[in-house]
Amino acid sequence: QQQVKQSPQSLIVQKGGISIINCAYENTAFDYFPWYQQFPGKGPALLIAIRPDVSEKKEGRFTISFNKSAKQFSLHIMDSQPGDSATYFCAASGDLNRDDKIIFGKGTRLHILP
Amino acid sequence: EAQVTQNPRYLITVTGKKLTVTCSQNMNHEYMSWYRQDPGLGLRQIYYSMNVEVTDKGDVPEGYKVSRKEKRNFPLILESPSPNQTSLYFCASSLGQGTDTQYFGPGTRLTVL
Repeated sequence: QQQVKQSPQSLIVQKGGISIINCAYENTAFDYFPWYQQFPGKGPALLIAIRPDVSEKKEGRFTISFNKSAKQFSLHIMDSQPGDSATYFCAASGDLNRDDKIIFGKGTRLHILP
Repeated sequence: EAQVTQNPRYLITVTGKKLTVTCSQNMNHEYMSWYRQDPGLGLRQIYYSMNVEVTDKGDVPEGYKVSRKEKRNFPLILESPSPNQTSLYFCASSLGQGTDTQYFGPGTRLTVL
């Protein structure tokens, strides 16, 4: 019940295309949903995050869509660029068993073709 | 510059030889944690600490120890490393717990022969 399921495991998109990564969760105690971006040889860094009181959040070319009833959220990268090639982790956090924990998905390796 | 530092960045060792990976943050964060990253398994939390002298197990604590004697430092100790602990390790810190932005270090790639 604490899992966050992320798909696909890997994704190849043409430059200028839309990259879409999906995540699903089960525990309704989760109330914060960040996405982290990791470049090779670096640690993950926060990209964008959403709380369940809104259905969408946009920052530049990156958009999170959130469906509370389906317990799903997704990251959309518009006009994908080669510099977006990285591993993306979705995550969910909240008060689980009186302990505020963050659970990460297994990651999606995104490659943007030039 | 606000950052999380880890040392060493790369380490090759042999089974059973005790090692310590250091982690330090300069942001006065209360919450620190250790993760391991393995292909296909993502980031799994090993241990976390909510403050000085307060530590707790994450999802995969077996074979690891931690200590938090100072707010800025959170070393990871492998007392008897085994090959299944070969992995990429990340230290992270945040102001509070899960709902705060996690700041990750650059990673330590450990190989246990």
